[in-house]
Amino acid sequence: GAVVSQHPSRVICKSGTSVKIECRSLDFQATTMFWYRQFPKQSLMLMATSNEGSKATYEQGVEKDKFLINHASLTLSTLTVTSAHPEDSSFYICSARRQARGGKNIQYFGAGTRLSVL
Amino acid sequence: AQTVTQSQPEMSVQEAETVTLSCTYDTSESDYYLFWYKQPPSRQMILVIRQEAYKQQNATENRFSVNFQKAAKSFSLKISDSQLGDAAMYFCAYHTGANNLFFGTGTRLTVIP
Repeated sequence: GAVVSQHPSRVICKSGTSVKIECRSLDFQATTMFWYRQFPKQSLMLMATSNEGSKATYEQGVEKDKFLINHASLTLSTLTVTSAHPEDSSFYICSARRQARGGKNIQYFGAGTRLSVL
Repeated sequence: AQTVTQSQPEMSVQEAETVTLSCTYDTSESDYYLFWYKQPPSRQMILVIRQEAYKQQNATENRFSVNFQKAAKSFSLKISDSQLGDAAMYFCAYHTGANNLFFGTGTRLTVIP
């Protein structure tokens, strides 16, 4: 099956620093990638939709200046948490959409990144 | 508005037995896709099974099958011959092809040896 690589799997940083998370589709081109945030024992919350070559679309309530998304190629999207604070500590998951015939798109997920801000 | 509802926060099943996880959804679209994803303790999201709404035949993948009732907007997952490795969070999800996945709140499945 399709593989999505997410790196790093875990990061610990000091408050005020910025953290970059990478999401790569390894065996297919993804014009669209998604970034989710998951709180403990909760479902995935969509943060933004990342489109290759254009600006990301952010969900309501998500600060675009706090969570910078860049989708510079068909296989790579990055999420940068700027000036991270303890409340940004969470589990972040990326997903890449693989387009198939007849609109049968399937989203494949990275393994997630656990961010801890001290 | 599209919503996905999983009414069972937790379920348990004896090893080798069968369990059914419930999911209902609300949409005004006629063409859409339904999915069940599994999230084990590693937290990697794994696609378990998918169903195209235009297909009447229920999807099956080995021990996993669905009961898709389009009129009732119901999409339950049946796991047969449950194994210890089936223990995980299970998320029901939906999309129309062009947009993103809408997830339910999840059901935590425990498999009892």
